Amino acid sequence: QSALTQPASVSGSPGQSITISCTGTSSDVGGYNYVSWYQQHPGKAPKLMIYEVGNRPSGVSNRFSGSKSDNTASLTISGLQAEDEADYYCSSYTTSSTYVFGTGTKVTVL
Amino acid sequence: QVQLQESGPGLVKPSGTLSLTCAVSGGSISSINWWNWIRQPPGKGLEWIGEIYQTGNTNYNPSLKSRVTISVDKSKKQFSLKLSSVTAADTAVYYCASSLNAFDIWGQGTMVTVSS
Repeated sequence: QSALTQPASVSGSPGQSITISCTGTSSDVGGYNYVSWYQQHPGKAPKLMIYEVGNRPSGVSNRFSGSKSDNTASLTISGLQAEDEADYYCSSYTTSSTYVFGTGTKVTVL
Repeated sequence: QVQLQESGPGLVKPSGTLSLTCAVSGGSISSINWWNWIRQPPGKGLEWIGEIYQTGNTNYNPSLKSRVTISVDKSKKQFSLKLSSVTAADTAVYYCASSLNAFDIWGQGTMVTVSS
């Protein structure tokens, strides 16, 4: 299974909105609503930010939102803050009953 | 709140077998969750290794399937990973995580280095 495709880096100024894309195939992203997003700060374990395409776990800021269209999912961070600077990974369930992660995106707050 | 803690040797010799355990506390290992292993080589992205359900049902990453075994011990409230015939490419931080369509709870991770 191939990793989902994400941009290597995305940047924005404080207060701006940014969007990270996650492109897969009809066998993963396009086939299920089991797309999730994770935030990882250096040296830390990943943290679940979005599950089932657009749902936020309790405690996650409503500045984070998710969506999906065909084989591409997206994570939008609005009102960008310094603490949002981190690596972000998408993940999807697949038709093989497995999971696949995205290539990862480094978010920089300018 | 469920907590997960990985444990095991931090150094494994090439061609040997990597063995890790994840202890589950604060909740039942017999819940509806699946229990996963995920790894991250230094400076690289996340790779899903596989998962196990309380019944012992497993699913593995096809690229690792021939070398991976995940097992569960409900009496000890833990699940384990064995990865055989390791090489330097298996050097990574290994995480255990619970999932119900998303990886909601993660252990802190444990670094495993493959070197002679």
